[in-house]
Amino acid sequence: TQLLEQSPQFLSIQEGENLTVYCNSSSVFSSLQWYRQEPGEGPVLLVTVVTGGEVKKLKRLTFQFGDARKDSSLHITAAQPGDTGLYLCAGNTGGFKTIFGAGTRLFVKA
Amino acid sequence: SAVISQKPSRDICQRGTSLTIQCQVDSQVTMMFWYRQQPGQSLTLIATANQGSEATYESGFVIDKFPISRPNLTFSTLTVSNMSPEDSSIYLCSAARDSYEQYFGPGTRLTVT
Repeated sequence: TQLLEQSPQFLSIQEGENLTVYCNSSSVFSSLQWYRQEPGEGPVLLVTVVTGGEVKKLKRLTFQFGDARKDSSLHITAAQPGDTGLYLCAGNTGGFKTIFGAGTRLFVKA
Repeated sequence: SAVISQKPSRDICQRGTSLTIQCQVDSQVTMMFWYRQQPGQSLTLIATANQGSEATYESGFVIDKFPISRPNLTFSTLTVSNMSPEDSSIYLCSAARDSYEQYFGPGTRLTVT
């Protein structure tokens, strides 16, 4: 069974702090996505990474795909209350089938 | 991207009844999926809705309990049959065009009493 492990499961921080969320697997993925979900909404796609070692930036968010394409990280600089939500990583090994991680619940206090 | 709407947004149903959830995409998509999610937790894939053929169900989900239709490239329904309180959850549909990137609807929050 392919698994995507996310850590931490829950994170509560003050506005302005930095944080990193990790997504790890023993499987190799052809691509990996990060989604953010706010209460009462569906997940929204943030980024897709496809190349080992790839780094993508989205404003204060930095996404990295591991060299072996088995892991990924999401780093948020100077977190804001608007960053609060559930962050999900999702990996693809072939076809359209996607494996979702357990999620990281982030709460940023003003 | 794709814009996805779901109806109803929420419902409270009696045990033993059935509820059909509709999912509409604003443009043609290749794949549509149905997920279940407990609040604050990750997604569990129920099935892949295939246009013109039977849905492909994941382990633990069966067609009799969760019949799915996909009559065209922009629309799908999921029925939750003979409901019990254990079916209380958020049901999400998603769509993908020609890549792994999925676009999600806002979800249907179902409570079974």
